[in-house]
Amino acid sequence: DAGVIQSPRHEVTEMGQEVTLRCKPISGHDYLFWYRQTMMRGLELLIYFNNNVPIDDSGMPEDRFSAKMPNASFSTLKIQPSEPRDSAVYFCASNQGLSEAFFGQGTRLTVV
Amino acid sequence: AQSVTQPDIHITVSEGASLELRCNYSYGATPYLFWYVQSPGQGLQLLLKYFSGDTLVQGIKGFEAEFKRSQSSFNLRKPSVHWSDAAEYFCAVGPLGTGANNLFFGTGTRLTVIP
Repeated sequence: DAGVIQSPRHEVTEMGQEVTLRCKPISGHDYLFWYRQTMMRGLELLIYFNNNVPIDDSGMPEDRFSAKMPNASFSTLKIQPSEPRDSAVYFCASNQGLSEAFFGQGTRLTVV
Repeated sequence: AQSVTQPDIHITVSEGASLELRCNYSYGATPYLFWYVQSPGQGLQLLLKYFSGDTLVQGIKGFEAEFKRSQSSFNLRKPSVHWSDAAEYFCAVGPLGTGANNLFFGTGTRLTVIP
């Protein structure tokens, strides 16, 4: 398996624009997580899904953030409208049952 | 509430020296414990994990960690550090019995290795 695949690797956008981050989890994994990493706040769990169903979205910072998982092999994290303070590295991770989480390479988002 | 504390923000060691990175956790039950490593511009890679059983766990790249329930600690060790070990190290705790979801990460320890 190619591991967790995230796209794009880098995204630069202007404030106010919509941004969509994509994630393909490892096949067969039933949990999917979205994390955000910043210097100030470290690694924060934004939301996670189990069997495509959102379980806990308490980490989503604002209504501008939304995440979907339409099927077991794809998830999106959308920010609309984007703001400079959203600049961060966003990681997707997946796991199965009691296994450890496997992380993607991340998407570095810069909002100017 | 769950929390993970990595008291050392930055550690510098000489190549060949031993290493210990500290991790303390707060959790209501026996947790799942993890150490991840992150190289610059990369995602997080699992070094090792503790779920149950032997409290001394071996990981990749020559790392090991010891779970000490009485001290709520899960310190990472390596007897001889290599220059390629320079990276950021994260300790994480997860709930028991419900899968390794809701991982809580420490703030990380940046390791610098000097020749």
